[in-house]
Amino acid sequence: AQSVTQPDIHITVSEGASLELRCNYSYGATPYLFWYVQSPGQGLQLLLKYFSGDTLVQGIKGFEAEFKRSQSSFNLRKPSVHWSDAAEYFCAVGAGDDKIIFGKGTRLHILP
Amino acid sequence: DADVTQTPRNRITKTGKRIMLECSQTKGHDRMYWYRQDPGLGLRLIYYSFDVKDINKGEISDGYSVSRQAQAKFSLSLESAIPNQTALYFCATTGDTDTQYFGPGTRLTVL
Repeated sequence: AQSVTQPDIHITVSEGASLELRCNYSYGATPYLFWYVQSPGQGLQLLLKYFSGDTLVQGIKGFEAEFKRSQSSFNLRKPSVHWSDAAEYFCAVGAGDDKIIFGKGTRLHILP
Repeated sequence: DADVTQTPRNRITKTGKRIMLECSQTKGHDRMYWYRQDPGLGLRLIYYSFDVKDINKGEISDGYSVSRQAQAKFSLSLESAIPNQTALYFCATTGDTDTQYFGPGTRLTVL
């Protein structure tokens, strides 16, 4: 069965520091992969997605993610975080039947 | 204007009451979804619909029902609300590429 694991429930980084949020998936075929962000009191906004092709995907707000088939991973990165990046981040995988499965989320805290 | 709207945005109700949450979309998508979000559990799928005549149960459909009144409208009902249905509810739509577009959410509290 398809699944998504985000190993870190909370992550704290200093403003200006680099960020990497981890995501591992389980899926038999080439997956569709997504990262969404949820700011406090808001809905989910798509940051980026991977369907095929270049394994390094650029998204909005300066985020990028790299698909590594050998590691079943799709980690999200940002070179320098801003206080406005404090939010909850969800990794998701397309389950191949018009549904997507979400990870449990990683809450990002930013230190001034 | 937002592509996916949800009403109400907040609702407080009592145990045993019937509640309907509504979702409308202007993206012209056929597929629509209802999720609930609980702290630490991420999003869990309640029901989904591929078109007006196609309704499917998701992971946690017990205690919920849905109605797809038109391509653009998908309602979620709690026939007899209970406290453990207190959660944040999201509607979403998707087109051809599995990318889901979410509404702003409805915060439901059942006392």
